[in-house]
Amino acid sequence: GQNIDQPTEMTATEGAIVQINCTYQTSGFNGLFWYQQHAGEAPTFLSYNVLDGLEEKGRFSSFLSRSKGYSYLLLKELQMKDSASYLCAALDSNYQLIWGAGTKLIIKP
Amino acid sequence: IAGITQAPTSQILAAGRRMTLRCTQDMRHNAMYWYRQDLGLGLRLIHYSNTAGTTGKGEVPDGYSVSRANTDDFPLTLASAVPSQTSVYFCASSTNSGRATDEQFFGPGTRLTVL
Repeated sequence: GQNIDQPTEMTATEGAIVQINCTYQTSGFNGLFWYQQHAGEAPTFLSYNVLDGLEEKGRFSSFLSRSKGYSYLLLKELQMKDSASYLCAALDSNYQLIWGAGTKLIIKP
Repeated sequence: IAGITQAPTSQILAAGRRMTLRCTQDMRHNAMYWYRQDLGLGLRLIHYSNTAGTTGKGEVPDGYSVSRANTDDFPLTLASAVPSQTSVYFCASSTNSGRATDEQFFGPGTRLTVL
């Protein structure tokens, strides 16, 4: 079956760095998305990786290893507004998105 | 309208009633999607449409129907609501059709409670 695994919840301190991991098992693979979702709001796009390596976008970076079925989202210089859920989603061979349950990130001052 | 809108924002519905959730986008996106989001589960695709006039079934289509008469609108209908359809429903759209490597833009969601 197809599956996305990511931690349910993580806690980090304002100003610190946090890494949110995601492992995926899909029938075929056409890329990996990360979305941010604040409580009670809609998901918003953060990143898309299809090739191995690190993509940096400001304070946020996303890494992909296709051979390991693994990705992570790295958040630097954490701010209170980064408190949110982070959703990992893999695009399978039929170009359907398979979503993880999300990682709730709690930022403490 | 700017982006993608959904109506109603929330609704409480008696079991057995028919309900249509509305979704409209003004970005001229080809592809549109309906998801449900339940606590502890990932977003699950209900139905999708790659272009106006075509629709397809997602992971959890039973009890739901959709239509795509034009580019902008993608309503989701629950023919006879059941309590297990209590959820938050998100509509989304993306520029691509078929090969969905573009980001999806989400509406604000509809919180539906079926009693």
